Amino acid sequence: KAGVTQTPRYLIKTRGQQVTLSCSPISGHRSVSWYQQTPGQGLQFLFEYFSETQRNKGNFPGRFSGRQFSNSRSEMNVSTLELGDSALYLCASSSQANTGELFFGEGSRLTVL
Amino acid sequence: AQSVAQPEDQVNVAEGNPLTVKCTYSVSGNPYLFWYVQYPNRGLQFLLKYITGDNLVKGSYGFEAEFNKSQTSFHLKKPSALVSDSALYFCAVRDDASGGSYIPTFGRGTSLIVHP
Repeated sequence: KAGVTQTPRYLIKTRGQQVTLSCSPISGHRSVSWYQQTPGQGLQFLFEYFSETQRNKGNFPGRFSGRQFSNSRSEMNVSTLELGDSALYLCASSSQANTGELFFGEGSRLTVL
Repeated sequence: AQSVAQPEDQVNVAEGNPLTVKCTYSVSGNPYLFWYVQYPNRGLQFLLKYITGDNLVKGSYGFEAEFNKSQTSFHLKKPSALVSDSALYFCAVRDDASGGSYIPTFGRGTSLIVHP
């Protein structure tokens, strides 16, 4: 069974640009969550999608958005990039809504210059 | 509200010695508890979880964790550490209380360093 796939793995952008990250969950998983990981803040929850609907949202500005497609693949977008957006962005999928563990992808490392 | 604390930023242990990585939690209802490991430049990998039942949970790579309700703790343990266990370890908790979020809260992580 293929794991969670995130693309691209690495990318460099400049301030003011926008970026789109992609996540393909494990086959059959309908829940996809996104996290931002930085050395200073640790793992911070961005949002969670289930059956194409945003079910939960973290405390991030509106520049951060996401969506989920009918095949459960998800994308997140960050507009008007700031230096502080440099981070590892992790996607995780889950087969069970309440007790299931999360399966993480390798992450997309974003550097904003 | 749910929260989790990992009181140690770093744990150092000699290879072959037992290791413990500490985690305490706070929830309104009953906890669902998880441990994950992250190797450099990789995503998080699931190690083990406690939902209900036996307080001692066994997981991957020889790790185990003990759920202690009275101390609200879920410490990760291994009888004999390996150099390859060196990584970043995250504890996570989710509250099963009615109206609770499906989203787990993660600790800040503990860096485990196993010395040869």
